[in-house]
Amino acid sequence: GEDVEQSLFLSVREGDSSVINCTYTDSSSTYLYWYKQEPGAGLQLLTYIFSNMDMKQDQRLTVLLNKKDKHLSLRIADTQTGDSAIYFCAESEGGATNKLIFGTGTLLAVQP
Amino acid sequence: DAGITQSPRHKVTETGTPVTLRCHQTENHRYMYWYRQDPGHGLRLIHYSYGVKDTDKGEVSDGYSVSRSKTEDFLLTLESATSSQTSVYFCAISAGGVEAFFGQGTRLTVV
Repeated sequence: GEDVEQSLFLSVREGDSSVINCTYTDSSSTYLYWYKQEPGAGLQLLTYIFSNMDMKQDQRLTVLLNKKDKHLSLRIADTQTGDSAIYFCAESEGGATNKLIFGTGTLLAVQP
Repeated sequence: DAGITQSPRHKVTETGTPVTLRCHQTENHRYMYWYRQDPGHGLRLIHYSYGVKDTDKGEVSDGYSVSRSKTEDFLLTLESATSSQTSVYFCAISAGGVEAFFGQGTRLTVV
């Protein structure tokens, strides 16, 4: 079945860039997402990319997609302590029901 | 959180007892989902609904049932709770587009 893999932990210093990586196996993925989860809270959609795109930029966030290698990354520029959270990669085949397959999550710790 | 309320937010129950979790939305979205979150697994889809009385199984549906008798409410029932169902449960809603909105979660402990 589909599988989405992420590294478990990333530690960066405030002001540095963070890069969170994700690999997926489903070649029929239509959308790829990055969600953020702060402690004790639900998931918040940060950004998504359509599978025919290579890159998407949204303020401090840059998403890169290598469809050939099934690799997705999220770069956060000028990382702040408020960016400390768990980041989930997810994929879906699209369509109306749009069921999401999530990765295991990466805990980003930002050191002041 | 986009008009989604999960109840209860926390529950401790004993093995073998029935448990029902409620998801209530005020957005009139067609699609509703129940996920569970466990360390090392991320979120996994339990069941979803694509309309009133229309539901289908997700990846980890064994031991769970759902009901949707009206657009705004999606209930998740554990008929006989087991310790393996200790988890954090998230409800999500979608209008059928790209974005899904998540509730705050229900932390369930089965002892």
